[in-house]
Amino acid sequence: EDKVVQSPLSLVVHEGDTVTLNCSYEVTNFRSLLWYKQEKKAPTFLFMLTSSGIEKKSGRLSSILDKKELSSILNITATQTGDSAIYLCAGRTQGGSEKLVFGKGTKLTVNP
Amino acid sequence: DADVTQTPRNRITKTGKRIMLECSQTKGHDRMYWYRQDPGLGLRLIYYSFDVKDINKGEISDGYSVSRQAQAKFSLSLESAIPNQTALYFCATVGANTGELFFGEGSRLTVL
Repeated sequence: EDKVVQSPLSLVVHEGDTVTLNCSYEVTNFRSLLWYKQEKKAPTFLFMLTSSGIEKKSGRLSSILDKKELSSILNITATQTGDSAIYLCAGRTQGGSEKLVFGKGTKLTVNP
Repeated sequence: DADVTQTPRNRITKTGKRIMLECSQTKGHDRMYWYRQDPGLGLRLIYYSFDVKDINKGEISDGYSVSRQAQAKFSLSLESAIPNQTALYFCATVGANTGELFFGEGSRLTVL
C-alpha cells in the first residue's frame, strides 16, 4: 500500500525562525514528490522533486529529496505570518494507475 | 475564470439524500481526480479517471460513484449521503508532464 508520512503534524514558531518539514514516502513505481501549501482554500503548488536529488528553491522556501532515505524536506527560512498554512506532501506514482498519494499534512503556525 | 470549477461550493443536506458534485475544467487535461479532505487526514483519493472510458477507484471509494461525461467534466455522486461523508471535496486535474495537480476551489458538504 502506498504511504506518505509527514512530520511533525503541527508546528508553532515565531516570526524569523527557520523550520524544516519532513516527508517520507513508500510509493510503488515512484515518479516524483510534490509539495503544496494550503491556506483557506485549495492547495497551491510549491515544488516537484525527483530522484535526481536536485534542490528546488523559491525565495525563502527550498526543498530536496533523498532517494536513499525515501524522504524529502521543505525548509522555510525567516518565517513570516503569511507562511502559516498546512503544507502537504504527495508522492506521484507512474504507470497505468498514476496518481498522487498525500500525507496528512503539517500545520504550521507562525506567530508575530 | 478558474481553470477547474466545482459546483456547488457549499451544500447542506440530510442523511439518505442523493448528492452530486460537479467538476469542469478548461485545462484540456485527460486526467481528473476527486479527493476528500478531513481535518488532520490530508487528502484522500476517492476516484480518478484518465479519459471518458476509464474510471478507477481510489482508496476510499465506498459510498461514492462517479461519471466522466466528457473530457472536461467529472462528477461525483453520493447515492445515499451519511453524516461521515461530511467533508471538503476537491476535484483536480493533472498536467501529464509535470504531475502538478490543479485543484478546484473545493465543495464543502455537510450531511445532517
